[in-house]
Formats: sequence, C-alpha cells, structure tokens
Amino acid sequence: DAGVTQSPTHLIKTRGQQVTLRCSPISGHKSVSWYQQVLGQGPQFIFQYYEKEERGRGNFPDRFSARQFPNYSSELNVNALLLGDSALYLCASSPGGGLRNQPQHFGDGTRLSIL
Amino acid sequence: DQQVKQNSPSLSVQEGRISILNCDYTNSMFDYFLWYKKYPAEGPTFLISISSIKDKNEDGRFTVFLNKSAKHLSLHIVPSQPGDSAVYFCAATLPGSRKLIWGLGTSLAVNP
Repeated sequence: DAGVTQSPTHLIKTRGQQVTLRCSPISGHKSVSWYQQVLGQGPQFIFQYYEKEERGRGNFPDRFSARQFPNYSSELNVNALLLGDSALYLCASSPGGGLRNQPQHFGDGTRLSIL
Repeated sequence: DQQVKQNSPSLSVQEGRISILNCDYTNSMFDYFLWYKKYPAEGPTFLISISSIKDKNEDGRFTVFLNKSAKHLSLHIVPSQPGDSAVYFCAATLPGSRKLIWGLGTSLAVNP
C-alpha cells in the first residue's frame, strides 16, 4: 500500500505569492494533519481535518488555510507568503481523528523556499 | 515557550551499546507521549508511545520510560545499530487535543 504522498517535493516562491500544497493520505485513513517544520526545530501543528471538517487549528495566521476533499486528500494554502514561511511542510494521516493508539503516518514533506 | 524539551541536540554511541534519549516536559496535563524517528529527506516515523497511566512500554529493542513526578521520559534503544542513526523527536498531547507538541529533536549517531 502507498504511504502518505505529498506534492510537490520542492517549491520556490517569492514574497507575496500564494502556494498550494497537496497531500494524499494512506488508503482508508480519514484524518489529515498539517505541520510546519522550520530548520532545527520540531514540527509545529497547523491544522487537523477529519471527515472533511476542521477539527483542530494551531497558532498560525489566517493566511494559512486548508481543506479536505471527499476522497480524504487535503490541500494546504498559504497566501501572502513571507520569508518566515520557508520550511518543510509535513502532512500526516491516521485512521480516525484521535491521536492515541493510532499513530500518525507522515509523508516526506514539501520543502518550501521563499525568496 | 518550549513545553517539550530535548536538551541534548546530539548523542553518539557505539554499535551494540545502549542509547538513551531524554525528554522533559513542563505541562503536567500531558497524558500521552510519543517518540518519532526521522531520517534526512523523509518524514517522521512513529516508534513507540506511552500513556500517562503507565511508566514503561516496550517494543522490541525500544523501551520508553515515563517519570511523571519528574516530568521526564526517556527512550532506550538496546542494542543500538548503525541504522538507528537519525533524529529522534519526543512529542506529547493533551487530553482531547488534536495536536502533537514536539521537542526540538536529538540527533543520534551509532558508530560501527
């Protein structure tokens, strides 16, 4: 079975632009979470979606938005990009919405660089 | 404010010996803890978890110990293998929360 797939793997944008990152969860997984990992730090939680509804949101500005589609894939959108948005964006999927006894499976991430 | 702390950025051990990775936390309400391993250019991979109602959980070469009074947990890898060389992250979550709170990671090097 395929794992969590993310696209694109790398992306270069300039300040002020908008970006869309995509994630396909493991087949049968209904929950997708997004994390931002800045170099040298641990991942920071951005969003969780379960059954196409937002179930959790981290401390990120409104420039960050996401959605989940009927096939449980997800998109993360970031508007008005800033230099500080340069990071590795990780998507994780799990069967249900909880975190206990059903660990999240991560994709390899999208490396976003802002010039 | 780092609620989950991994104070050792790096650790080097000899193949076959024990690796001990440490993690401290500040929020006594955390009730579930996880360890993830991350290789370069790959996403984190789940290793082992522990609920706050336990003080030990074991899975093969990996054992996690939880000391709630000290707000401290540790991951033991015995015996260490060169393939264990990676960055190890400790993460925690609150009851009913949908998010994991992560430490900064510890880079483990296992030397042949």
